[in-house]
Amino acid sequence: NAGVMQNPRHLVRRRGQEARLRCSPMKGHSHVYWYRQLPEEGLKFMVYLQKENIIDESGMPKERFSAEFPKEGPSILRIQQVVRGDSAAYFCASSREQGADGNTIYFGEGSWLTVV
Amino acid sequence: ILNVEQSPQSLHVQEGDSTNFTCSFPSSNFYALHWYRWETAKSPEALFVMTLNGDEKKKGRISATLNTKEGYSYLYIKGSQPEDSATYLCASLTDYKLSFGAGTTVTVRA
Repeated sequence: NAGVMQNPRHLVRRRGQEARLRCSPMKGHSHVYWYRQLPEEGLKFMVYLQKENIIDESGMPKERFSAEFPKEGPSILRIQQVVRGDSAAYFCASSREQGADGNTIYFGEGSWLTVV
Repeated sequence: ILNVEQSPQSLHVQEGDSTNFTCSFPSSNFYALHWYRWETAKSPEALFVMTLNGDEKKKGRISATLNTKEGYSYLYIKGSQPEDSATYLCASLTDYKLSFGAGTTVTVRA
């Protein structure tokens, strides 16, 4: 049973380009979360999605960032017009049910974005 | 407590010794407390999900306790081995969002 799969693992973008990070949740999981780890900081919540729905995007920057989890295919975190401050590790996680009442939330290995 | 805090930030343990460290979290709006083990360049590995006050969970030589009334959890490693070297993260779940502590980095010396 494959875990949470993220790609690419490493991505280099020039300032102003777009970055697309993909996440395939574990089999049977319909809840996806994105977290970001900025340099020298801990993991911070960005967005929580279910299939075709954004449930909570309170941790997403208001501009340039968007996320989707379509009916078919992986969840995508999209960053438009990247700036150096977007350089970070982006982690995707998934769970079978909403993360309350004791359900384990499983993490992928992360996608490292470097903006040059 | 407003944020999830872990202490100490790092510790060194002699192989074979036991150790423990703390996670403090806000006790209001508490749903669950998650522990993860994280090695560099790997995904955080889920260790425990704890929900009930007084909960104790065990996985091999690693165990954890939970006190939701006072807002703390302890993680214990018994008979530390070099492969236990990692950063241990705790996270409090409120409204389906995990709020992470900064982690305790454990280094086991042979």
